[in-house]
Amino acid sequence: QQQVKQSPQSLIVQKGGISIINCAYENTAFDYFPWYQQFPGKGPALLIAIRPDVSEKKEGRFTISFNKSAKQFSLHIMDSQPGDSATYFCAAGKAAGNKLTFGGGTRVLVKP
Amino acid sequence: KAGVTQTPRYLIKTRGQQVTLSCSPISGHRSVSWYQQTPGQGLQFLFEYFSETQRNKGNFPGRFSGRQFSNSRSEMNVSTLELGDSALYLCASSASPGAGNQPQHFGDGTRLSIL
Repeated sequence: QQQVKQSPQSLIVQKGGISIINCAYENTAFDYFPWYQQFPGKGPALLIAIRPDVSEKKEGRFTISFNKSAKQFSLHIMDSQPGDSATYFCAAGKAAGNKLTFGGGTRVLVKP
Repeated sequence: KAGVTQTPRYLIKTRGQQVTLSCSPISGHRSVSWYQQTPGQGLQFLFEYFSETQRNKGNFPGRFSGRQFSNSRSEMNVSTLELGDSALYLCASSASPGAGNQPQHFGDGTRLSIL
């Protein structure tokens, strides 16, 4: 009931292309879904987050799509740049608390 | 504003020893959470502290413990170290509990290696 499944494990995209990462959760009590970006040697940095009362949220080149009935959410990185090469983690939690359950991560490589 | 500071950055210990890791949250943040990151298990929640009280605990053995001080700084302790405890230990802080309204900011972690 606490799992968050993330796919793909790795992704190679050309500069200017779209990176798409998908996550699925099981616990219907989750109501907070953030995405984190992590570079080697650094801690995860919050990119964007969504609550289930909206189906899409966009911040710059990053968009979260959320499907409550399917219990799935995804991250789209538009116009991918080499600087976006990093590991991306989806997570789920309850907005009233700080405990996050993380997906397994997706290593994204953007080729110039 | 300074970010979350974790010390030390790297640590090497041997099996059976104990270790204490430190986390200083962002100024004004009162909630601190700890996570373990390994290649095999990914990011796993350890525990969360707010106002010196543990609010939540993950599924880790009792060898893992933590505490928070009145200035919101937090420490975690691992006793009787095992090889499997080798990991990156991450601390995250937020202004208060409630990640939905108060985003969590992570430090760069302490890399613990057990020989």
